[in-house]
Amino acid sequence: SQTIHQWPATLVQPVGSPLSLECTVEGTSNPNLYWYRQAAGRGLQLLFYSVGIGQISSEVPQNLSASRPQDRQFILSSKKLLLSDSGFYLCAWSVSPVGLAYEQFFGPGTRLTVL
Amino acid sequence: AQTVTQSQPEMSVQEAETVTLSCTYDTSESNYYLFWYKQPPSRQMILVIRQEAYKQQNATENRFSVNFQKAAKSFSLKISDSQLGDTAMYFCAFSTSGTYKYIFGTGTRLKVLA
Repeated sequence: SQTIHQWPATLVQPVGSPLSLECTVEGTSNPNLYWYRQAAGRGLQLLFYSVGIGQISSEVPQNLSASRPQDRQFILSSKKLLLSDSGFYLCAWSVSPVGLAYEQFFGPGTRLTVL
Repeated sequence: AQTVTQSQPEMSVQEAETVTLSCTYDTSESNYYLFWYKQPPSRQMILVIRQEAYKQQNATENRFSVNFQKAAKSFSLKISDSQLGDTAMYFCAFSTSGTYKYIFGTGTRLKVLA
């Protein structure tokens, strides 16, 4: 069966510090991978998605970046965190055979607090 | 642009009763998929139910069912025999084949009262 991992679970970082959040998927090949941010009590904001190794599409051109060094690994990074980067970060995966769209499966999330 | 609208920010229901959460969407595509996700206080997103637009029959998963009205672009979720564990934020989502992107509504916070 498929499993998705995210770490760390919680993170407190000072403004201006770097960030690296990691997501890995097990039990599937060539998944579509996604990073979302959720502010407290709010909906999901799509940050990045990737349909293959090295392929990253950005939805939010801010101080965040994403990379996919391996098929089932997705990393969210920042060189300098802002207060506004605080939130709950969710990684998700899906598969999409030609002509179909399957549901997304989500990781447990990372709660990031920038002070 | 494709959008998903959940017009009920918060709802409450008595335990064992039935509640319906509303969702409308806008798209010009004919082949698409609709989902309801549940996010309990643990914040783990869980798929509740999915519906393919080409299927006329409404999807059902145990106590959860949908009322899919394609012409009206409406996709409501009915929860029967509500349980305390149903207390969560519920998100309606939409995706079209080949786009890889999912559009989420802003969510409805449901509280089940004992």
